[in-house]
Amino acid sequence: KAGVTQTPRYLIKTRGQQVTLSCSPISGHRSVSWYQQTPGQGLQFLFEYFSETQRNKGNFPGRFSGRQFSNSRSEMNVSTLELGDSALYLCASSTGTSVYEQFFGPGTRLTVL
Amino acid sequence: SQKIEQNSEALNIQEGKTATLTCNYTNYSPAYLQWYRQDPGRGPVFLLLIRENEKEKRKERLKVTFDTTLKQSLFHITASQPADSATYLCALHSGNTPLVFGKGTRLSVIA
Repeated sequence: KAGVTQTPRYLIKTRGQQVTLSCSPISGHRSVSWYQQTPGQGLQFLFEYFSETQRNKGNFPGRFSGRQFSNSRSEMNVSTLELGDSALYLCASSTGTSVYEQFFGPGTRLTVL
Repeated sequence: SQKIEQNSEALNIQEGKTATLTCNYTNYSPAYLQWYRQDPGRGPVFLLLIRENEKEKRKERLKVTFDTTLKQSLFHITASQPADSATYLCALHSGNTPLVFGKGTRLSVIA
C-alpha cells in the first residue's frame, strides 16, 4: 500500500502571498489531519477532515483553511502569509474510527521570506 | 488548557542500556495515549497505542506504561541501539478528538 504523499516537499514564498499544499492519504483512509510543526511549538493540530467534512479544528487564525475531496485527497491553504508561518506542514491519514493510529506524510517545508 | 510535558528535550544513553522517556499531562483525561518516532526531515511514525484501562503494553523491545492516577506514561526501549536515535513524541486523545502532541524527547544512543 502506498503511503501518504504530500506535494510540494519544499516551498519558498514571500510575505503576503498565499499557498496551497496537497495531501493524498493512504487508500481507504477517510480521515485527513493537518499539523504545523515548528521547533518552538512542536506539532500543533490545524484541522481534520472526515468524508469531506471538517470534523475538528485547532486554534489557528482563519487564514488557514482546508478542504477534502470525494477521493479523500485534501488541500490546505494559507492566505496572506506571515514570517511566522514558516514551518513543516504535516498531513496524516487514518481510518477515522475512534481508536486510530495516524500515518504521516513526509511534510511540506514552507519558508516565508 | 491541556498541557503535555515530555521529561527532557534530549536524552543521551549508552548502547545496550534501557532508555526511559516520560510523558506527563495535566488538565486532561485521555482515553488513549500514543507514542511516535520522528527522524530528522521525516514525518512521525506510529509505535504504540495504550488505552486508559491498560497498564502496560509491549512490542518487541518497546514497553509503554500508562498511569491515569499519576497522569503519566513511561516509554522504555530495552537493549538500545544507535538506530534507535530519534525524537520520540507522545500524543493523547479521547474518541474522535484530535491528537495533542508533546514537544518530544530527542534520544541519542551512543555506541
